[in-house]
Amino acid sequence: NAGVMQNPRHLVRRRGQEARLRCSPMKGHSHVYWYRQLPEEGLKFMVYLQKENIIDESGMPKERFSAEFPKEGPSILRIQQVVRGDSAAYFCASSPWDRGPPSFGQGTRLTVV
Amino acid sequence: GQQLNQSPQSMFIQEGEDVSMNCTSSSIFNTWLWYKQDPGEGPVLLIALYKAGELTSNGRLTAQFGITRKDSFLNISASIPSDVGIYFCAGHLMEYGNKLVFGAGTILRVKS
Repeated sequence: NAGVMQNPRHLVRRRGQEARLRCSPMKGHSHVYWYRQLPEEGLKFMVYLQKENIIDESGMPKERFSAEFPKEGPSILRIQQVVRGDSAAYFCASSPWDRGPPSFGQGTRLTVV
Repeated sequence: GQQLNQSPQSMFIQEGEDVSMNCTSSSIFNTWLWYKQDPGEGPVLLIALYKAGELTSNGRLTAQFGITRKDSFLNISASIPSDVGIYFCAGHLMEYGNKLVFGAGTILRVKS
């Protein structure tokens, strides 16, 4: 049973480009979360999604960031017009029910140059 | 906003020693979770706590959900070199639906 799969593991983008981060939840998990982690810091909540619905996006920056979890396919975190401050590790997690303990992927490390 | 205070920030201990870390908050939590993160990896769940007062063990790890629902501790007995890493507490806040908030982490370093 594969765990949460994130790709790419590492992503380098120039300022102004778009970054697309993908997350395939564990089989049978319909709840997906995205977190951001800066070096030497904890994880900061960004967004909580269920299939085709955004449940809580209170941690998402108001501009340039968007997330989706379509009926088919992986969840996508999209960052438009990236800036240096977007450089961070982005983690996806999934759980089988709304208060189930999430399992995390290995993260995507985004570097903006 | 809600805060989760995790302490200590870092620890440098001798192999074989017991370790204790804790998390406190002014808010009430539905669940408390403890994760460990190795460098370059995602957090891995160690222990999940669901009821106030619950005490749960996983090998050399023991964690408790505080009676007030506002705190939790994690103990590691007889530490070994592979215990090195960052330990995070996390919890589902009662008044914030299912948003899982994390502490800042405790960095554990072990002297062999």
